[in-house]
Amino acid sequence: EAGVAQSPRYKIIEKRQSVAFWCNPISGHATLYWYQQILGQGPKLLIQFQNNGVVDDSQLPKDRFSAERLKGVDSTLKIQPAKLEDSAVYLCASSLVRPGGYTFGSGTRLTVV
Amino acid sequence: TQLLEQSPQFLSIQEGENLTVYCNSSSVFSSLQWYRQEPGEGPVLLVTVVTGGEVKKLKRLTFQFGDARKDSSLHITAAQPGDTGLYLCAGLHQGAQKLVFGQGTRLTINP
Repeated sequence: EAGVAQSPRYKIIEKRQSVAFWCNPISGHATLYWYQQILGQGPKLLIQFQNNGVVDDSQLPKDRFSAERLKGVDSTLKIQPAKLEDSAVYLCASSLVRPGGYTFGSGTRLTVV
Repeated sequence: TQLLEQSPQFLSIQEGENLTVYCNSSSVFSSLQWYRQEPGEGPVLLVTVVTGGEVKKLKRLTFQFGDARKDSSLHITAAQPGDTGLYLCAGLHQGAQKLVFGQGTRLTINP
């Protein structure tokens, strides 16, 4: 089966600019997650969707981050305006409703300068 | 607050040696997963353990879930350079649907 697709793979922006990331999960996976992985750390959950509804966004910095999952399939994560500390890899993952395991995309490496 | 503590954070050993990586928590998990992540890629699931005391083997890798379901270990026998990577444990709390990750163990196997 096709994996989780993410784009772009790399992005370099200046602070205060905006950026958007895209994710296409595995077909049939109802649950979609966005994780932030700062260099040297484990992934931290930003937001979790089940179909097109938000299940958990408690760790999403809502003053600058937003995410949507229209039609319960693809998802976009946006940062506006970006800060230097947003430099990280942004990972998208998907799973069945009762996960036996997540399937991760390759991530988008964001560098804010 | 880091709910899952992994140790060691860094480990560099020679090819052929054995090693153990630990994942500890004060919380009880309904299941625990181990992932391996290579540079420029997302984590890839290695195993899921569910029952306290459970042991699973994947070739030269042995995974154990603690009896109390609060900790886990990964043992690699006769490590090879291809085992190099970031090993992440992740726990799922009872009734929850999100995984909480440890900070990872960066393993380097030198030829």
